[in-house]
Amino acid sequence: EAGVTQSPTHLIKTRGQQATLRCSPISGHTSVYWYQQALGLGLQFLLWYDEGEERNRGNFPPRFSGRQFPNYSSELNVNALELEDSALYLCASSLAETQYFGPGTRLLVL
Amino acid sequence: AQSVTQLDSHVSVSEGTPVLLRCNYSSSYSPSLFWYVQHPNKGLQLLLKYTSAATLVKGINGFEAEFKKSETSFHLTKPSAHMSDAAEYFCVVSALNRDDKIIFGKGTRLHILP
Repeated sequence: EAGVTQSPTHLIKTRGQQATLRCSPISGHTSVYWYQQALGLGLQFLLWYDEGEERNRGNFPPRFSGRQFPNYSSELNVNALELEDSALYLCASSLAETQYFGPGTRLLVL
Repeated sequence: AQSVTQLDSHVSVSEGTPVLLRCNYSSSYSPSLFWYVQHPNKGLQLLLKYTSAATLVKGINGFEAEFKKSETSFHLTKPSAHMSDAAEYFCVVSALNRDDKIIFGKGTRLHILP
């Protein structure tokens, strides 16, 4: 069974640009979660989508947004990139409470 | 409200000696508890989970954790450390079906000394 996949693996942007990160959940999983893992800040919850709806949101500004498609894949968009947005962005999918994580997208903002 | 505290940011043990990674939680509900491991430059992998069944939970790679309600703890242990156990470990408390919250601890980095 294929695991959670994320693309791209690495992304380099400049300040002010927009970034789009993608996540494909495990087949049959309806929930997708996004996390930011920045150096020294640990794992911080960003967004949770379930059945196409945003269920919960972490303490991030509105320029972090996303959506979930009918096939349960998801996109995370980060607008007006700032240097401190440089981080590993992890996606996880779940059917119940157990989350299964993808390998992450490493975003570097220059 | 829920919270999780990993009491040590770094733990160093010698190969072949026991591992203890400490986690305390706070929850208004009966939570589900998880331990995840993250090897360098990799995503997180589920080690084990507690969901109100047996209080001693066995996971992968010889790890286990014991849920102690009276101490609000969910410490992770392994009898004998292996070099491949060097990684970061996250304790997680979840009550998604109650308040839509899942909380990660700040992580404990485990170092294995030869």
